Amino acid sequence: DIQMTQSPSSLSASVGDRVTITCRASQDITDNLNWYQHKPGKAPKLLIYDASNLEAGVPSRFSGGGSGTDFTFTISSLQPEDIATYYCQQYDNLPRYTFGQGTKLEIK
Amino acid sequence: QVQLQESGPGLLKPSETLSLTCTVAGGSIGSFYWNWIRQPPGRELQWIGYVHSSRSPYYNPSLEGRVTMSVDRSKNQFSLKVSSVTAADTAVYLCARERCNTGKCRFDSWGQGTLVIVSS
Repeated sequence: DIQMTQSPSSLSASVGDRVTITCRASQDITDNLNWYQHKPGKAPKLLIYDASNLEAGVPSRFSGGGSGTDFTFTISSLQPEDIATYYCQQYDNLPRYTFGQGTKLEIK
Repeated sequence: QVQLQESGPGLLKPSETLSLTCTVAGGSIGSFYWNWIRQPPGRELQWIGYVHSSRSPYYNPSLEGRVTMSVDRSKNQFSLKVSSVTAADTAVYLCARERCNTGKCRFDSWGQGTLVIVSS
């Protein structure tokens, strides 16, 4: 299976900061990568699909980039409501999906 | 906006069968792939498999042999069974709808998850 290595595992930042999370695939997955936000007790939410496309209704401060094996997820200006755990997920070798280990984002 | 809700027993003994249901509200269960994903405590999300109302299900090979999924279109529900559970099956179990278009796929709707604990 394709392994996804996500970093950092946790991150503490201030409101208004620019935050970046990275995800590395163990092999080339072109742009077959999605990003999700998960708040405790809530349903996970799709934010970015196909590496860089913003899901409808998601604020524009969220963005994604990269292709091949290296990907980034960025929040341009951190807001208090962004406190959550973020996951990358590859779907290159359908239908065997794998997720990154998650990045827990906290406010300083 | 479709909503998903998991339900089922939260406590099982080793060797029992885990049985969960995901109810789909606000949309039809037809024509989509419906997935189960779990998250053991302190670990990453693990994809379990998918089921479709008119196609064969597909299960993660790491769990194959113990997993069964099915769809009940009359109730707009799909279900998961995992046999012979052990403590390693303790996890939050989540259901999700998969949307695919020309090979591009994503989980665009999720349930909030249900905790299943396996303990003697």
